[in-house]
Amino acid sequence: QQQVKQSPQSLIVQKGGISIINCAYENTAFDYFPWYQQFPGKGPALLIAIRPDVSEKKEGRFTISFNKSAKQFSLHIMDSQPGDSATYFCAASRDNFNKFYFGSGTKLNVKP
Amino acid sequence: DGGITQSPKYLFRKEGQNVTLSCEQNLNHDAMYWYRQDPGQGLRLIYYSQIVNDFQKGDIAEGYSVSREKKESFPLTVTSAQKNPTAFYLCASSMWAGTGNQPQHFGDGTRLSIL
Repeated sequence: QQQVKQSPQSLIVQKGGISIINCAYENTAFDYFPWYQQFPGKGPALLIAIRPDVSEKKEGRFTISFNKSAKQFSLHIMDSQPGDSATYFCAASRDNFNKFYFGSGTKLNVKP
Repeated sequence: DGGITQSPKYLFRKEGQNVTLSCEQNLNHDAMYWYRQDPGQGLRLIYYSQIVNDFQKGDIAEGYSVSREKKESFPLTVTSAQKNPTAFYLCASSMWAGTGNQPQHFGDGTRLSIL
């Protein structure tokens, strides 16, 4: 059973546009939701993370929106650039447990 | 610079052979993890260790083994019992979860293929 469901599987966006990636979870005990960015042949790198006590967190062009009642969270990339082309993973973990559950990934392609 | 070093970058396994993937970290992190990444399937947890000399099975531990004799090292052995070992293997580490959830830091992976 997949603990975290991610969509879409792939996404094509024009330069300057907004990229939106969505994730949904079932376990209400999850209390930490990071997003990772992965370039080909490299390991994932932490992009931004949120805890359920806030509904939104912004770092530069990257924003996480969090809807606790719907058990959903999403990543918004504003003014998308070709350099943002990568695979993005959402994840969730709970309660000092440090075991993470990852979504299946979204391959983003930003067209120049 | 602190980080996680995985080696080798590419590895080839013959039928019936065990191979060992290396993972070393100099971040002074307590917890270490091994993930397997297949196209379109995200990251699946193989084994994790929260402390030296202790480790737990993840979701897909069959055909794999690990050891944690030193804080900075967490090698993964892919045994001959793993019938489909071709994948990208990622090692990660994090600070102790007892201080609240901590992000994981990843190495650059080892790509394992069957000869």
